[in-house]
Amino acid sequence: GNSVTQMEGPVTLSEEAFLTINCTYTATGYPSLFWYVQYPGEGLQLLLKATKADDKGSNKGFEATYRKETTSFHLEKGSVQVSDSAVYFCALSDRATGNQFYFGTGTSLTVIP
Amino acid sequence: DGGITQSPKYLFRKEGQNVTLSCEQNLNHDAMYWYRQDPGQGLRLIYYSQIVNDFQKGDIAEGYSVSREKKESFPLTVTSAQKNPTAFYLCASSTARGHNEQFFGPGTRLTVL
Repeated sequence: GNSVTQMEGPVTLSEEAFLTINCTYTATGYPSLFWYVQYPGEGLQLLLKATKADDKGSNKGFEATYRKETTSFHLEKGSVQVSDSAVYFCALSDRATGNQFYFGTGTSLTVIP
Repeated sequence: DGGITQSPKYLFRKEGQNVTLSCEQNLNHDAMYWYRQDPGQGLRLIYYSQIVNDFQKGDIAEGYSVSREKKESFPLTVTSAQKNPTAFYLCASSTARGHNEQFFGPGTRLTVL
């Protein structure tokens, strides 16, 4: 079946530190992969996506590369800011299962000045 | 501006009462979804609809009901049969084709008193 596994949080970093949030997946078909961000009390916003192997998604300084060989889609940012404090969700969408979404449990990030 | 609206933002209900959460989108999306989010947890799919007048149960449909009479609207009713309804409810929509990222509303926080 389909599933997404994210590193557990919470993660606390100092401003300008390097961020990595690990995400691995299992899928029956050829999934698209996504990272969403959720700020307190709000809905989820799409951060970036990748639709095939070796694609790199990027947005607002965040990057993630679709690695089929390791079934991974790790989120990275070179220098985090206080405003990046949020919960980050990794997700996949698999056409083999009718484009249903499968979300990870989320990783809470707090960036301190 | 196109987007998804959910109302109300906060909702309080007495035990034994049914309550309906509103979700409207003007993105012309075919598919709509309802998720439940509990503190510190990921998203769990309640119901989804890929076309008007059709919907399917998700992973936790018991105690909930939906309708899809119009393309832009997908209301969720939390019935008295739902044993633990206090949660944050998120509505989302997507196109039915392609690499279909889901777009989320701002959420409704339901509290049972």
